[in-house]
Amino acid sequence: GAGVSQTPSNKVTEKGKYVELRCDPISGHTALYWYRQSLGQGPEFLIYFQGTGAADDSGLPNDRFFAVRPEGSVSTLKIQRTERGDSAVYLCASSLISNDEQFFGPGTRLTVL
Amino acid sequence: GQQLNQSPQSMFIQEGEDVSMNCTSSSIFNTWLWYKQDPGEGPVLLIALYKAGELTSNGRLTAQFGITRKDSFLNISASIPSDVGIYFCAGLGANSKLTFGKGITLSVRP
Repeated sequence: GAGVSQTPSNKVTEKGKYVELRCDPISGHTALYWYRQSLGQGPEFLIYFQGTGAADDSGLPNDRFFAVRPEGSVSTLKIQRTERGDSAVYLCASSLISNDEQFFGPGTRLTVL
Repeated sequence: GQQLNQSPQSMFIQEGEDVSMNCTSSSIFNTWLWYKQDPGEGPVLLIALYKAGELTSNGRLTAQFGITRKDSFLNISASIPSDVGIYFCAGLGANSKLTFGKGITLSVRP
């Protein structure tokens, strides 16, 4: 069976631009998570969806970051007016139910020039 | 944000040796997970621990969930070159969020 997939694998953009990062979770997984990983650090939580709704968005750094999961499957992380400090690997994970083992995708490496 | 404590940052061992990694936290977690990450990849789940005091094995890997629920260790026995990578511990709280350590980079000399 397919694991979590993320597109694109790499994204280079200019400061001030808008970007969208996509995550396809494991089929049937109801919970979906976004994390951000900076160099030399562990992943840090951004937002978590249970079904279509954002159950916890407390990790989003500011209002330039937004995520949606309109049909309870694919999710898109949206970053407006990108800044150089947004450069990181954005990881998506999914789990069958909440509070369960989380399985990660390969990540999207975002570089803001 | 809060992170779990993993040290040292790097470990160097000889192929065939055993290695042990520890992870501690100031907070209690209900579930502990150990992940391995290779360059350019996402973390891959190795072992999940659900109960304080639990000892679980997965092939050459053994992990234990500390009695206080604030620590865990991972042992790798008879290391091989493909064990090279970054090992992360992660605590899963009641809020479904994973809190990660900074990771330990393992190097295996042939």
